[in-house]
Amino acid sequence: QQQVKQSPQSLIVQKGGISIINCAYENTAFDYFPWYQQFPGKGPALLIAIRPDVSEKKEGRFTISFNKSAKQFSLHIMDSQPGDSATYFCATPGANNLFFGTGTRLTVIP
Amino acid sequence: DAGVIQSPRHEVTEMGQEVTLRCKPISGHDYLFWYRQTMMRGLELLIYFNNNVPIDDSGMPEDRFSAKMPNASFSTLKIQPSEPRDSAVYFCASSARTPGNNSPLHFGNGTRLTVT
Repeated sequence: QQQVKQSPQSLIVQKGGISIINCAYENTAFDYFPWYQQFPGKGPALLIAIRPDVSEKKEGRFTISFNKSAKQFSLHIMDSQPGDSATYFCATPGANNLFFGTGTRLTVIP
Repeated sequence: DAGVIQSPRHEVTEMGQEVTLRCKPISGHDYLFWYRQTMMRGLELLIYFNNNVPIDDSGMPEDRFSAKMPNASFSTLKIQPSEPRDSAVYFCASSARTPGNNSPLHFGNGTRLTVT
């Protein structure tokens, strides 16, 4: 099964700070790298995704940075808010499914 | 659209009993996935269907697990007999097209299974 290595496992950030979560993948023939956000008691939901024809994609306070040569991509949350406290998963696509990272539990302290 | 609907939300059962989890995908979605989430192993893909046909069940832990999709609007995941190590949150997800083609997965809110 395709490997996706995600770090850190947990992250505590002060309100207003920057949260950074990293993922490294093995080979993939597909050009789509999403991040999912999961709140307690809920299923994961798509947060933001990038195609590697660009090195960065920004949506509001959330930015994906992509380094194709290093096979790495990261999620940056600017001006982190307590409402951002959740578990974040990176994913890489297979032929007809998604392989998820192990998740990062983010806690934003007021 | 109501999204992906799973039932029950919580299930507590004794070891050896049969457990059936249910899922209604989003109408018009061609793909349906069953995932299991635990602290130790994260999100594991168990099986997925395309147009109601099982495509890959290599993630199903053992023969005690089975899944069906009798029509486009309903799927079940059955565990028989259940064991304590099956305790986890089971998610159903659907997507309009293959996830490798920029088509997001839509997850239900999961079924928390506890086997005592």
